[in-house]
Amino acid sequence: DAKTTQPNSMESNEEEPVHLPCNHSTISGTDYIHWYRQLPSQGPEYVIHGLTSNVNNRMASLAIAEDRKSSTLILHRATLRDAAVYYCILLIQGAQKLVFGQGTRLTINP
Amino acid sequence: NAGVMQNPRHLVRRRGQEARLRCSPMKGHSHVYWYRQLPEEGLKFMVYLQKENIIDESGMPKERFSAEFPKEGPSILRIQQVVRGDSAAYFCASSPSIQGTDTQYFGPGTRLTVL
Repeated sequence: DAKTTQPNSMESNEEEPVHLPCNHSTISGTDYIHWYRQLPSQGPEYVIHGLTSNVNNRMASLAIAEDRKSSTLILHRATLRDAAVYYCILLIQGAQKLVFGQGTRLTINP
Repeated sequence: NAGVMQNPRHLVRRRGQEARLRCSPMKGHSHVYWYRQLPEEGLKFMVYLQKENIIDESGMPKERFSAEFPKEGPSILRIQQVVRGDSAAYFCASSPSIQGTDTQYFGPGTRLTVL
C-alpha cells in the first residue's frame, strides 16, 4: 500500500482556516486520495476524496498538487467540533481496505 | 436512512470467555469491513466480507477470531477465549460497492474490555 506522511499534530483557532498537509510521493496513477476524521470516542467519518482535480464539499476542500505527490485538506472556518484526528489515505480503485496511518491530531482553540 | 449500527456498544468479558460483536450495515450496502483500534493506536483493518463470503481476512489474527456476514442478519465478529490484549475498540464499516470512489461508513464501535 502506498504510504502517506502527515504531521502528528496541528493547532488552530476557532473560525480560522486550517490547512492539513499530506505527502504521498509514491502515489500511483490509479490511487484516490481519501480523507477521514475521527472525533473523540467515535468511529471514523468520511470527509472528502479526489483523484486529480481539487474538490469541494460542504465539509471541506481538497487541494491536490499538480504532480499528485501531496495534497492539503482545507477547513475553511474551523469550529470546536472539528477537533479530531484527520487521516489521509490512498485507495486504489477496487481496493477494499482502508490503511490508516497515525493521522494528524487537530486541536482547535476557542 | 439509519447509519451503520453496532451492538453492544460496550462489552466486558473475563479472560477465556467468548465475545460476539454485531454489525448491521447501512440499507443497501452489501460490503462490510471490520477494523480494530487498540488503545492509543490507529485503526487496523481486520476483514472484509460480502454477503456469505469472506473476501479478505489478511488482517485477522489466525486463531480465535472469526467473522461472518450471513444472507440474513447482521455481520458477526467472534472472538473466542478472549485475552487482555483483545481489549480494544472494534469498528464496523459498510459500503455499497468496492470502487475506489466509494465511501466507507463507520459505526460507533464496540468497546471490548477483557478483565
